[in-house]
Amino acid sequence: GAVVSQHPSWVICKSGTSVKIECRSLDFQATTMFWYRQFPKQSLMLMATSNEGSKATYEQGVEKDKFLINHASLTLSTLTVTSAHPEDSSFYICSARVSGAGELFFGEGSRLTVL
Amino acid sequence: QQQVKQSPQSLIVQKGGISIINCAYENTAFDYFPWYQQFPGKGPALLIAIRPDVSEKKEGRFTISFNKSAKQFSLHIMDSQPGDSATYFCAASNFNKFYFGSGTKLNVKP
Repeated sequence: GAVVSQHPSWVICKSGTSVKIECRSLDFQATTMFWYRQFPKQSLMLMATSNEGSKATYEQGVEKDKFLINHASLTLSTLTVTSAHPEDSSFYICSARVSGAGELFFGEGSRLTVL
Repeated sequence: QQQVKQSPQSLIVQKGGISIINCAYENTAFDYFPWYQQFPGKGPALLIAIRPDVSEKKEGRFTISFNKSAKQFSLHIMDSQPGDSATYFCAASNFNKFYFGSGTKLNVKP
């Protein structure tokens, strides 16, 4: 299947700082990428849909000013958690859909711990 | 409103047995139904997927059964192995949105 690379796989930061997570589609172009958040033993919660060259579409209840999403190219989307707080600690996972096809592929996830 | 309902929440199966996980959906506009396998600390990996124009799809030990009229689909894992122990998510897609089930934690005992 297609490969989606996510970096970093884990990050620890101090409260109040910002953290950037990158999501790359390595062997295909993705006009749309998705960002999910997953709490322990729970399902994936869609945070936003990232479209190349346009503004992201955020799900209800997700603070767009806290979770900045940029999709600058067909292979790269970034999620920046701004002014992170301990409650932002979570497992963040990106995914990308092969253009014109149905399959959705996930990155390995990024574990964020805010101290 | 939960778009995709998944059961059971957890499942224990003996090695060599059959694992069965069920999902149900309401939106008849869904046109793609994948299953994902997730190991702890990892992102979900696409396992197998089906479209509503077929009733069954088999890939190795994994089979999806799809019942369009009942709006249900299920994952069958034949000859379950301890290495299959993971959390499984079903999903349904409509255009550009994916809706995930709540997940099933499978434990295959040796």
